[in-house]
This record gives sequence, structure tokens and C-alpha cells, in this order.
Amino acid sequence: DIQMTQSPSSLSASVGDRVTITCRASQTISISLNWYQQKPGKSPNLLIYAASSLQSGVPSRFSGSGSGTDFTLTISSLQAEDFATYYCQQTYSTPYTFGQGTKLEIK
Amino acid sequence: QVQLQESGPGLVKPSGTLSLTCAVSGGSISNNWWSWVRQPPGKGLEWIGEIYHSGSTTYNPSLKSRVTISVDKSKNQFSLRLSSVTAADTAVYYCAREAAGRDGYNHDFWGQGTLVTVSS
Repeated sequence: DIQMTQSPSSLSASVGDRVTITCRASQTISISLNWYQQKPGKSPNLLIYAASSLQSGVPSRFSGSGSGTDFTLTISSLQAEDFATYYCQQTYSTPYTFGQGTKLEIK
Repeated sequence: QVQLQESGPGLVKPSGTLSLTCAVSGGSISNNWWSWVRQPPGKGLEWIGEIYHSGSTTYNPSLKSRVTISVDKSKNQFSLRLSSVTAADTAVYYCAREAAGRDGYNHDFWGQGTLVTVSS
């Protein structure tokens, strides 16, 4: 299985901050990397697919980059509604695997 | 707008079989792969497996010996069965649609999730 490792596991930030979350794959996955946002009690919501493509309806302050084994999710200016847990996911090969999550909290 | 809705018992006895169904509305179950994903309370996401409308399946090797995913095109739904359950199988179970992206797949539509507790 391909292991996905996110860092940091948790992060405190303020509204307006620029935030970056990193995801590393245990082997190369090209750009088969997705990012999801999950709020408490809710289903995950797709933000970014294929490493850098913005899902329809997702605000442009979210962006993704990377290829191979190293990827980043950036939120350019945090809004109150962005405080949530973020997961990366590889779909390069089955079993599809997720990172352990990054919990973004209000400072 | 595609919508998915999970249904099934919320409580299953240890050593029993967990059975859930995902009803798809707002679109056909054909032309896509469909997944089951679970999340133990307070923990991360685990992909269980997938099914194509033709009935082709792929399972997570960690669960393969206990999992069966099936599809009923006439009802526009797909199902999950997990046998020999233990407390470790207690989780919120989600169904999701797989969309073919530019490179690989992504899960673009999800059900609301259903909590299944394994307990006597």
C-alpha cells in the first residue's frame, strides 16, 4: 500500500493567515492526489483533484501543487469557515489511501 | 446534482454481518465507479473498496476476506457487506461516487454517512 503522511497533524492559525499543509507519498504517485475538507459531523468535501485542479464551487483561496511524492495544499487567506480537518488522498493505485489528517484550529 | 444516501442497521453484534445500502439519486449508477469509505470515531478515513456498474470490484486487502460490495442497477443502488465484525469495525460508513479526473480518480459526491456500532 502507498502510505500518505501529512504534516503538521494540527495547526493553529488566525483569520487572514496564509496556511500550507504538506502531504508526502511513500512512492511516486504522479499527480493522482486529492485534497478534502471535513467539518465535524459532516462528510468529506472535495477541494482539489489531480494535485492542482480546483473542484467546481470551491473558493479560489484554496490551491494545490506538487507531483511525484510531495504535495501541498495552500489556503491563501484563512476564513472562519475554513477551520476544519484536511485530508490528502492518493488514487494512483488501489487501495486508495488517505493521510492521517491535519486539524486546522483557530489561534 | 447527484445525491447518495446510506441506510442500514446502526447496531450489529460482534461476529455478525454489517449490511449497508447506498441509494443514488439525481444520476445513473452506470458510467462510474462507486466506493465505500469508513471513519472510526475520532480517527481518519479508510477506503474499503469500489464497484463498477458492471459488477467489477476492487477491495482493500486489509478487509478483502470479509468484504462484499454489490450493485443493483435496477434500483440504482449499491451495497456493502462486512462479515465477522468486531468492535474495531465501529465507524461512520460513507458511500461516495468516483469521478475520473485528469489523472486518477476522486470522490466528488458523498453520502451523509451512517454510524454503525458493533456491540452486544
